[in-house]
Amino acid sequence: AQKVTQAQTEISVVEKEDVTLDCVYETRDTTYYLFWYKQPPSGELVFLIRRNSFDEQNEISGRYSWNFQKSTSSFNFTITASQVVDSAVYFCALSEAHTGNQFYFGTGTSLTVIP
Amino acid sequence: DTEVTQTPKHLVMGMTNKKSLKCEQHMGHRAMYWYKQKAKKPPELMFVYSYEKLSINESVPSRFSPECPNSSLLNLHLHALQPEDSALYLCASSQERDRGPMNTEAFFGQGTRLTVV
Repeated sequence: AQKVTQAQTEISVVEKEDVTLDCVYETRDTTYYLFWYKQPPSGELVFLIRRNSFDEQNEISGRYSWNFQKSTSSFNFTITASQVVDSAVYFCALSEAHTGNQFYFGTGTSLTVIP
Repeated sequence: DTEVTQTPKHLVMGMTNKKSLKCEQHMGHRAMYWYKQKAKKPPELMFVYSYEKLSINESVPSRFSPECPNSSLLNLHLHALQPEDSALYLCASSQERDRGPMNTEAFFGQGTRLTVV
């Protein structure tokens, strides 16, 4: 079974629009960790954020914000005032306490920001 | 320094060739990973090394042979590959502790784009 679901395969927005990337996860562990990575065309996965299951506080970093809701098993990512440089594939990932350094990646959302 | 360096960036090899992919990090991370990524797919875990010992092998064919010579280096030896092995191979590293996993973020290299002809 897919542990991380990113239902949006591709999204296109016009520059300066806000966009939200959805991530829904599934786990039986009470302790788990959620991540977002950005993969530009160059190929490298760039780490954006890690949250643990005990910290439901939303986080803001510049134009990026994350909404973690355990009640709906979601960890959504919003980019405010999108820019062309935000064009990339974004992956949500999960690791569980009992499996440690094994990451379960979602299928990714390809974001295109049109100038 | 949060850099993971992979060489080469591109590699074309024949099915009878032997080649190696190299990965280096100087962040003091004791967990290192190899992932394989096909186009428009998420990365798939191949191997995990923890404290220079192979801890996870995701049933990878023996034509892929990992090696961790020291805590900073990770190699992937390739032999008799098939065209379907063409992919982006990503190396990553993360913090680790000897009493169990840390569930921390992994830092990735830019990958080696491998084409098998």
